[in-house]
Amino acid sequence: QAVLTQPSSLSASPGASASLTCTLRSGINVGTYRIYWYQQKPGSPPQYLLRYKSDSDKQQGSGVPRRFSGSKDASANAGILLISGLQSEDEADYYCMIWHSSAWVFGGGTKLTVL
Amino acid sequence: QVTLRESGPALVKPTQTLTLTCTFSGFSLSTSGMCVSWIRQPPGKALEWLARIDWDDDKYYSTSLKTRLTISKDTSKNQVVLTMTNMDPVDTATYYCARMVEMAQFDYWGQGTLVTVSS
Repeated sequence: QAVLTQPSSLSASPGASASLTCTLRSGINVGTYRIYWYQQKPGSPPQYLLRYKSDSDKQQGSGVPRRFSGSKDASANAGILLISGLQSEDEADYYCMIWHSSAWVFGGGTKLTVL
Repeated sequence: QVTLRESGPALVKPTQTLTLTCTFSGFSLSTSGMCVSWIRQPPGKALEWLARIDWDDDKYYSTSLKTRLTISKDTSKNQVVLTMTNMDPVDTATYYCARMVEMAQFDYWGQGTLVTVSS
């Protein structure tokens, strides 16, 4: 079982909100991790969006709009990237990442389609 | 201004050793808290972290690839070198180097270099 699991795709309408999940493997407690989120558009390297561990330990990337926010769902053992007021330019691949067992681990990515 | 640039062969044969160089500017890898990682991405697939080297020469490797990887730095040249042995077609990917400061986030990335493994 992968350390981080993301849904492969998600579709949402312009102006709506999208909730992208990053589920940690059973036995790995989401509460103890900073979860990092990256956005990648075709032909470009990933760009850092934000990181979230708790409301008192979070950071927004420089220049990243506030409509991108992070949270956790402890009951689902998952990190969440919420994008509100979706715009066409938000169509991209989104990756979560954690530092686990002395290694950076990426999720499999979610392709967000805005239509 | 921070920049990173990956360089290396575009094509390698199976079983060969790949050597990639990340040449950077705008920061020093001798500065406390600085580190550089290599990350790869097969065409149409997800990101995969490979290795990291820190300002104090600490090194970390992907568990699944650690037997094949070696990361090193030349601080005077502002370069980080990754070698990967026994290349296979499944290693075909775009290879990126990226900077991280104080375990914060990968804030600067190179544009990546596509490496194809084929006979």
